Amino acid sequence: EVQLVESGGGLVQPGRSLRLSCAASGFIFDAYGMHWVRQAPGKGLEWVSGINRNGDNIGYAGSVRGRFTISRDNAKSSLYLQMNSLRAEDTAFYYCARDVSGGQYSSSWCPDHWGQGTLVIVSS
Amino acid sequence: DIQMTQSPSSLSASVGDRVTITCRASQGIRNDLDWYQQKPGKAPKRLIYAASSLQSGVPSRFSGSGSGTEFTLTISSLQPEDFATYYCLQHNSYPPTFGQGTKVEIK
Repeated sequence: EVQLVESGGGLVQPGRSLRLSCAASGFIFDAYGMHWVRQAPGKGLEWVSGINRNGDNIGYAGSVRGRFTISRDNAKSSLYLQMNSLRAEDTAFYYCARDVSGGQYSSSWCPDHWGQGTLVIVSS
Repeated sequence: DIQMTQSPSSLSASVGDRVTITCRASQGIRNDLDWYQQKPGKAPKRLIYAASSLQSGVPSRFSGSGSGTEFTLTISSLQPEDFATYYCLQHNSYPPTFGQGTKVEIK
C-alpha cells in the first residue's frame, strides 16, 4: 500500500524558512515522480512543485518560483520542500503526492496518491 | 496555464439524487483529466482517471465522461458518504491545474 507521510509544518514568521519532508513507503520510490500540492484553509487545490524520478526535471508554480526548492533523496525514500521567504499567502496544508509515472515529461505530470498533509501557518 | 472551470461551485441534493458536475478546460486536453473527492480534514482521493476510467475500489455509481474541453462527473444515486467537495485536475499540459471545486451538500 502506498503511504506518504508529511512532516515539518508549523507556525513560522513572515520572511522565515521552513523545510517540509515526506517519507514514502509501499512502492519503489525511485521509479516515480513526486509533487507538492497545497490548499489554503477553506480554499481549493494548487499544484506547487514537481520533480521527476531522477531529480533532473523540476518545476514550480509561479507563486513560489525562486523561493521554494524541491528535492528528493532516493536512498531514503524521501521528498523535501525547502520554503524560504515565506509569506502569509503561503499558509496552507501541504500535501506530498506521487506521480503516476517516473515524471520524465513535465507536460504530463499527474499526481495520484496523496499523503494526509502538513499545515504551514505563516504569521507574526 | 490551462484554466479549469467547474460548475456549479456548490449544489444541494438529496440521498438518491442523480448529480452531475461539469469541468471545462480553456483549451483542448484530450482525455487527460482526473476527478477527485475530498472530505473535510482529509486528503483528496482520486475517483476517475483519464476522464472516464474508474479508480480501483471506487463505487460504480461514480462515472466520468468527456474529452477535449468539456467533462462531466456523474453520481448516479447520491449516498450519504458522497457529501464532499469534488475537484477536476488536468494533466495534459504543464503545470497541472485544478478546477475550483464543487461542494455537494445535503438538501
